[in-house]
Amino acid sequence: ETGVTQTPRHLVMGMTNKKSLKCEQHLGHNAMYWYKQSAKKPLELMFVYNFKEQTENNSVPSRFSPECPNSSHLFLHLHTLQPEDSALYLCASSPPGRGATGELFFGEGSRLTVL
Amino acid sequence: TQLLEQSPQFLSIQEGENLTVYCNSSSVFSSLQWYRQEPGEGPVLLVTVVTGGEVKKLKRLTFQFGDARKDSSLHITAAQPGDTGLYLCAGEVTGGGNKLTFGTGTQLKVEL
Repeated sequence: ETGVTQTPRHLVMGMTNKKSLKCEQHLGHNAMYWYKQSAKKPLELMFVYNFKEQTENNSVPSRFSPECPNSSHLFLHLHTLQPEDSALYLCASSPPGRGATGELFFGEGSRLTVL
Repeated sequence: TQLLEQSPQFLSIQEGENLTVYCNSSSVFSSLQWYRQEPGEGPVLLVTVVTGGEVKKLKRLTFQFGDARKDSSLHITAAQPGDTGLYLCAGEVTGGGNKLTFGTGTQLKVEL
């Protein structure tokens, strides 16, 4: 138990569906992240939020829409996805003042399959 | 985009063997972290190294940061089945805005 909870753990959706991934952290952290993990590729940073404000959008297609209503919750809204978007989506948080020695606390991930 | 290459990509060994995993880049990092990810789980931080030449030990795991802070290694002594997992290195580039660049990963399997 890392203190970061992701739901759902598994999701299968069609290309025309709209779904959302949810992440909640109980660690009092101020920064939250979405990462994409695909087979045979390094973890890809998608979005970063600090104190609810988006500070990083790593050229992510608009079919992925993040939302951060408060420092404890992070959503990833999915719309009109492509089969190549199938991957493990990992949420992470980091403590205040994260600098060179900070660490990421990851959730267990949401395994997404796009048919 | 800075690239962190890990080698080997896959490693299958018997319990009790020793192994070393490498993480290499052409970029200089202000710090470097190692994570382990078990099946069905997210990555969990093992260690952070920040000083060139630094060596840190975590039970049977020994981590070293290269003198030039461009590479790192993870050595496991007397591997056990519980060490099985995906090992990821992640570097924080100096002046990179506290963003981590993850390596390509080493999948380790330790068999009885």
